[in-house]
Amino acid sequence: GQQLNQSPQSMFIQEGEDVSMNCTSSSIFNTWLWYKQDPGEGPVLLIALYKAGELTSNGRLTAQFGITRKDSFLNISASIPSDVGIYFCAGQPGGYNNNDMRFGAGTRLTVKP
Amino acid sequence: NAGVTQTPKFQVLKTGQSMTLQCAQDMNHNSMYWYRQDPGMGLRLIYYSASEGTTDKGEVPNGYNVSRLNKREFSLRLESAAPSQTSVYFCASSEVMTGPVYFGEGSWLTVV
Repeated sequence: GQQLNQSPQSMFIQEGEDVSMNCTSSSIFNTWLWYKQDPGEGPVLLIALYKAGELTSNGRLTAQFGITRKDSFLNISASIPSDVGIYFCAGQPGGYNNNDMRFGAGTRLTVKP
Repeated sequence: NAGVTQTPKFQVLKTGQSMTLQCAQDMNHNSMYWYRQDPGMGLRLIYYSASEGTTDKGEVPNGYNVSRLNKREFSLRLESAAPSQTSVYFCASSEVMTGPVYFGEGSWLTVV
C-alpha cells in the first residue's frame, strides 16, 4: 500500500524551542492525523485534518493538511519536557475508512531542559 | 477512564506455541482493530472488525486469526508463533470506520 515518509526521524532540541516535522506521500490522501506515543503506551490522537489546506491547532500544536493533499506538517511551539515522545503521522489514501489508514515511521523528539 | 484495555502486557513465547491477545473497549465503539508496530515500520493493520459479527484482513494478516466475541471484545490469536511475529501489538477502536481511532497501551510479544 501507499507509504508515508516522515521526517526527521529524530530531533534533539532545547526546552522552549519550536519544532517542525512533516509527512509526505507519493499519492493523494483524504485525511491526515497526528498521534503522539509515550514510552510504553499506545498512540494518542493529537489532531485530525479532513480538508486540503486546513490548519488546526491543539494548544501549542498546530498541524496543516497540505494543499496538494500529499503532505502534512506538525509544529510544536515553545517545547516543554513532557513533549518528549514519538510523533506519528497517519493518513487515509482512499475513502474515509480506517482500514485504509497508513502510518509514518515516526519522529522521536527529545527535549533537553 | 479505561478506554481500550488489552492483555497481556508482556509475553514470551517459544516458536510454535499459540497464544491469544485479549482486547476490550468500554466506549461502545462499533469498530475494532489489531495493529503491530515494528521499529522503523510504523503501525500496520493486521485485522479489523467494522462492526460486531464481521472481521476482515488488513495489511499483514498472515499467521493471525481474530474473533469479535461481542461488541466490546476483539481477540487476536497466533496459532503457531514465529520469531517474525516478535512485535508490539496494539488493539484499537473507533465509533465507526470513519471516526478517530483510539489505541490501547500495547502488548509486547517476543517469540524465541
